[in-house]
Amino acid sequence: DLVESGGGVVRPGGSLRLSCAASGFTFDDYGMSWVRQAPGKGLEWVAGIQWNGGNKGYGDSVRGRFTVSRDNARQLLYLQMNSLRADDSALYYCVVGYYYMDVWGKGTTVTVSS
Amino acid sequence: QPALTQPASVSGSPGQSIIISCTGVSNNIGGYNYVSWYQQYPGKAPRLIIYEVSRRSSGISNRFSGSKSGNTASLTISGLQADDEADYYCSSYSNTPPVIFGAGTKVTVL
Repeated sequence: DLVESGGGVVRPGGSLRLSCAASGFTFDDYGMSWVRQAPGKGLEWVAGIQWNGGNKGYGDSVRGRFTVSRDNARQLLYLQMNSLRADDSALYYCVVGYYYMDVWGKGTTVTVSS
Repeated sequence: QPALTQPASVSGSPGQSIIISCTGVSNNIGGYNYVSWYQQYPGKAPRLIIYEVSRRSSGISNRFSGSKSGNTASLTISGLQADDEADYYCSSYSNTPPVIFGAGTKVTVL
């Protein structure tokens, strides 16, 4: 099971940290990703992290502003989002997988608005 | 602008087969066998249906099959059913960023 939290309304230029609590599987066996979907739009891969946190990747639109991390002992995945822009507004999904997205959470909504 | 090109819509009658294409370039689809496909119903999270080009995810009907030729991957849905009506997204490993998605294809069952 994957449960995202931390979404909300934030002003442009602000920051937000998303969390994803994982259960029901061996968390540190898997790479993890964040995928977002703006209202009425398609899927966009945001960031991913390998099982040991040693290899991370970012989408072009968030590189340098977002940071993905994980705590294997607590089975948590994080996404630190800085310098938020209006076009970052979306439903953010926590996903098991790195090269393909195996199991999806229900998502948490981020709205960037003044 | 998604790096993978999918048709905006595909339709078919019940029982027919349809094919959804997903076209990339040599540094994504053409260079790696990490193509995956996802099904998404309105208001729901996506679900993995195909990974590594042609492997079906657990619990997915054998009516769904995947393939690749050159820079183009394809998802075939055979014996089209009413509950196949959904949005379908392809994805591929890429040089950078590591993962990219297509814009999605809306499948309509006539």
